[in-house]
Amino acid sequence: QVQLQESGPGLVKPSESLSLTCHVSGSSLNSIYYWGWIRQPPGEGLEWIGNVYRDGSRYYNPSLKSRVTISIDTSQNYFSLNLRSVTAADTAIYYCARVGRGYAIMDFDYWGQGRLVTVSS
Amino acid sequence: QSALTQPPSASGSPGQSVTISCTGTRKDVGGYNYVSWYQQYPGKAPKLIIYEVNKRPSGVPDRFSGSKSGNTASLTVSGLHDEDEADYYCSSYAGNNNLFGGGTKLTVL
Repeated sequence: QVQLQESGPGLVKPSESLSLTCHVSGSSLNSIYYWGWIRQPPGEGLEWIGNVYRDGSRYYNPSLKSRVTISIDTSQNYFSLNLRSVTAADTAIYYCARVGRGYAIMDFDYWGQGRLVTVSS
Repeated sequence: QSALTQPPSASGSPGQSVTISCTGTRKDVGGYNYVSWYQQYPGKAPKLIIYEVNKRPSGVPDRFSGSKSGNTASLTVSGLHDEDEADYYCSSYAGNNNLFGGGTKLTVL
């Protein structure tokens, strides 16, 4: 069974960087799948952040591209999110997930439980 | 690109059928057969229930079905159960982008 688990600080100061890690079990990051991040502000809808592949290939949401870096470590089976220059608008539950069926950008078939990150001084 | 448009709410009684719409453009919903739907309970992660417009992952009941016409996709829940009360989100591939709808809260009366 594929399982994903987000970890990282739950509180970040404005203008600083948000960093989260997603540890994966039950599926190798060296497989055919892309892996992604999605966020959801409290009480609001979902927003795709970006996806990464084992070779480092990345796709980002155009609206966040200038502030986002997603990286991957296949030897340790985790991938990471870094979001720079955060504001209160970046407060959200951040989910990591697996992209379905080997596509670069597609639906997500396995999700982590989510990590609430609050941006506040 | 803007998010896809969903009605904020929908409702039905147990046993009835309910359809939730998801409207986009020819650059997303209308341009590709890559529409998916997620079910989300409060405090939980979304769960994929429909992919590629009308396909169900293993374990999803067949009373959940999807369709598409032009720039609008639809999720139909037939024979409503109490446990279907949840938020539902559509999503579409949009050429190097992945758009979500704003979500629809389904209430089982």
